[in-house]
Amino acid sequence: SAVISQKPSRDICQRGTSLTIQCQVDSQVTMMFWYRQQPGQSLTLIATANQGSEATYESGFVIDKFPISRPNLTFSTLTVSNMSPEDSSIYLCSVLQGNTEAFFGQGTRLTVV
Amino acid sequence: KQEVTQIPAALSVPEGENLVLNCSFTDSAIYNLQWFRQDPGKGLTSLLLIQSSQREQTSGRLNASLDKSSGRSTLYIAASQPGDSATYLCAVRPQGGSEKLVFGKGTKLTVNP
Repeated sequence: SAVISQKPSRDICQRGTSLTIQCQVDSQVTMMFWYRQQPGQSLTLIATANQGSEATYESGFVIDKFPISRPNLTFSTLTVSNMSPEDSSIYLCSVLQGNTEAFFGQGTRLTVV
Repeated sequence: KQEVTQIPAALSVPEGENLVLNCSFTDSAIYNLQWFRQDPGKGLTSLLLIQSSQREQTSGRLNASLDKSSGRSTLYIAASQPGDSATYLCAVRPQGGSEKLVFGKGTKLTVNP
């Protein structure tokens, strides 16, 4: 199974600031996925990050708010920009191993005050 | 649009009881279905993956079944233990080449000693 290290594990941020979340995988993967889990809700895909190309965003998510980097096949970052309390969520990165089974990082619990 | 529903939303049982968690999905055209466990404020741990051609998968005390035609999956937990207390999430991956997972809201399980 893929091992995914995500950091920070949690943070409390002031509104209007930005936070960058890092995700490191122990093997090379073509695609990495970023999900958001708002309080009491299920996971929603934010975007898919491919190495060497721009990320593909889901409806309702835009690059200016959630810029993503994918510099190589084992690493990605998600930035939550100009944060507001509504951005308080758990953010998770994920990969597909063998193009079938999904694995997730331990999540970043973000609180915006 | 694929929708995933999990019933019940919460379940409390005494230790040692066998239990069943339910997951239903609206579109039977799925590539696979995956069950996850999520501890409070944490990431997701993959429990079982069922391919669309399979009927069930087993791992230890866990057994997951899939009835694609009726759009249902169940997760059976035998001889429950307090350490099983967590939220259990069901996710389907649609057919057609999409790598996106569609999640239910989960069932929060509490096993009382």
